[in-house]
Amino acid sequence: NAGVTQTPKFQVLKTGQSMTLQCAQDMNHEYMSWYRQDPGMGLRLIHYSVGAGITDQGEVPNGYNVSRSTTEDFPLRLLSAAPSQTSVYFCASSLGTIPSYEQYFGPGTRLTVT
Amino acid sequence: KQEVTQIPAALSVPEGENLVLNCSFTDSAIYNLQWFRQDPGKGLTSLLLIQSSQREQTSGRLNASLDKSSGRSTLYIAASQPGDSATYLCAVIREWGAQGGSEKLVFGKGTKLTVNP
Repeated sequence: NAGVTQTPKFQVLKTGQSMTLQCAQDMNHEYMSWYRQDPGMGLRLIHYSVGAGITDQGEVPNGYNVSRSTTEDFPLRLLSAAPSQTSVYFCASSLGTIPSYEQYFGPGTRLTVT
Repeated sequence: KQEVTQIPAALSVPEGENLVLNCSFTDSAIYNLQWFRQDPGKGLTSLLLIQSSQREQTSGRLNASLDKSSGRSTLYIAASQPGDSATYLCAVIREWGAQGGSEKLVFGKGTKLTVNP
């Protein structure tokens, strides 16, 4: 198993540009989520999905869109990049069955918006 | 709102020392608590998952305990090694299935551990 994979590893955008961060998992996990990690703020949940076709907002959803058309993939779209979106983005997945919920994380995407 | 606090924020110890990292949370209505390790510039590696019905979990030199009633968890590292140097994060997990609400997995800000040879 490759586990949770993310692409790209690094990205530089200009303000106003859009892009999609890719996330895929090969563990047949139902639950997938996106986090951002900022110095002094810790990890914060952006969006999550409890299965194909089902998504919901997390703590900091503004400026981001997600969709879940397959179990394996959960892309995160930045609609119009802003400097405040400079961060490290992590995708995570879990089997989602009670009582486990153990989370597995990808290696992250480091995004800089200038 | 669930808040997770980790104390200390940073810790430096000599090699071979036993040490304890602390994690506290404000809302005891959790399913599980998970400890992670993060190396600089890397992703999160899961260390231990404690289910809410359990009091502790062990893996090698690591032992994690959970006391839901007091809102506390500890990660005990025995015979520390320089390779243990990393940031350790705890996260509390609530139910994911219900729609609405954002506090599914709430992280502490971590303890940065340095083990000196």
